[in-house]
Amino acid sequence: AAGVIQSPRHLIKEKRETATLKCYPIPRHDTVYWYQQGPGQDPQFLISFYEKMQSDKGSIPDRFSAQQFSDYHSELNMSSLELGDSALYFCASQRDRGRRTMTTQYFGPGTRLTVL
Amino acid sequence: GIQVEQSPPDLILQEGANSTLRCNFSDSVNNLQWFHQNPWGQLINLFYIPSGTKQNGRLSATTVATERYSLLYISSSQTTDSGVYFCAVGWTGTASKLTFGTGTRLQVTL
Repeated sequence: AAGVIQSPRHLIKEKRETATLKCYPIPRHDTVYWYQQGPGQDPQFLISFYEKMQSDKGSIPDRFSAQQFSDYHSELNMSSLELGDSALYFCASQRDRGRRTMTTQYFGPGTRLTVL
Repeated sequence: GIQVEQSPPDLILQEGANSTLRCNFSDSVNNLQWFHQNPWGQLINLFYIPSGTKQNGRLSATTVATERYSLLYISSSQTTDSGVYFCAVGWTGTASKLTFGTGTRLQVTL
């Protein structure tokens, strides 16, 4: 079965550089979520999109932005990188069936970002 | 926001032993998922279980939504079960994002 695809899997950047993370959801999934997991921590919600519109926003720094494109893939853009941005970034996708019904969120393998 | 607590925080088992992991949450939810994070960092979906009981091989889970807790049972543990187990909950009233617990770190030894 198709899974969520994330690229790149590993990324090393210097402080103050920019990074772009990509996420390709499972086919026919219309909702994408981004989560950040720092070392030794649990994943924290950053931002989500439903049908190419931002649906919710968590503790995402102003230096980060994201969007969902017409083919439903999503990109997380990170600028002015800081040492504290080093983390595992997960994308998850879900098929939304309306506000009263929840379905499984499927997580990608993650992008490990290291900021030096 | 909703609070999710997991216990125990750490667990060491000998291969073949059984264990029960607990997840308590502070508010009504209509999504509850259990994950296993392996040593390579991948989050593996174990169960989508907002209520009721499910079983998959040596693993089973039960969620009692009215009492706001869920249990994950691991039987006949194997070394490959080692890793961190997360419970995560969601509610459509919060645009469906998942809130994760702090996890249970499991180590299975020979």
